[in-house]
Amino acid sequence: KQEVTQIPAALSVPEGENLVLNCSFTDSAIYNLQWFRQDPGKGLTSLLLIQSSQREQTSGRLNASLDKSSGRSTLYIAASQPGDSATYLCAVTDDKIIFGKGTRLHILP
Amino acid sequence: GAVVSQHPSWVICKSGTSVKIECRSLDFQATTMFWYRQFPKQSLMLMATSNEGSKATYEQGVEKDKFLINHASLTLSTLTVTSAHPEDSSFYICSAPAGGMHEQYFGPGTRLTVT
Repeated sequence: KQEVTQIPAALSVPEGENLVLNCSFTDSAIYNLQWFRQDPGKGLTSLLLIQSSQREQTSGRLNASLDKSSGRSTLYIAASQPGDSATYLCAVTDDKIIFGKGTRLHILP
Repeated sequence: GAVVSQHPSWVICKSGTSVKIECRSLDFQATTMFWYRQFPKQSLMLMATSNEGSKATYEQGVEKDKFLINHASLTLSTLTVTSAHPEDSSFYICSAPAGGMHEQYFGPGTRLTVT
């Protein structure tokens, strides 16, 4: 049974710092891995999608990596801003999509 | 990109009544849609997979008679919460895969409050 774990559960960093969010999964037989952002009371915004054959994807200040063999992914956020404060969820897709519990990120102005 | 809408965005109902939530794919067809529930400060939990033209597949622990799912067309899936109770109050989100790469597109969610 696929399980997705995100570490840390919460993170506070000063504005301007670079940071890394971690995601691990137990079954490497996945189609893809997605990183999402969720603001309080809102739906999900897709940030990056990494196909199982890819190793990383970049969008602006965000970079996500995927190491399928070790069951790990990282989301790197460069030069963090207060507007980056949100919950970040990773999810893997095999027959269905399984979410981690998320990392609550707070960027301190 | 693909767009998924949900209606209503929020609803308040009395205990014992039923509430229907719609999930629509606006610019693509979806033979499959997924329904999730999220309690405060918790992650999304998959409730069921909605299949166009056939019965939905429910996750373990989700009562199919309480959460009725209908996927009557390639662009619409509905979730009906029957005989709602306060513990059903939650944020309900749907998603649909688009394209051939299994990328999921999510609706904005529906906040249900049962009084």
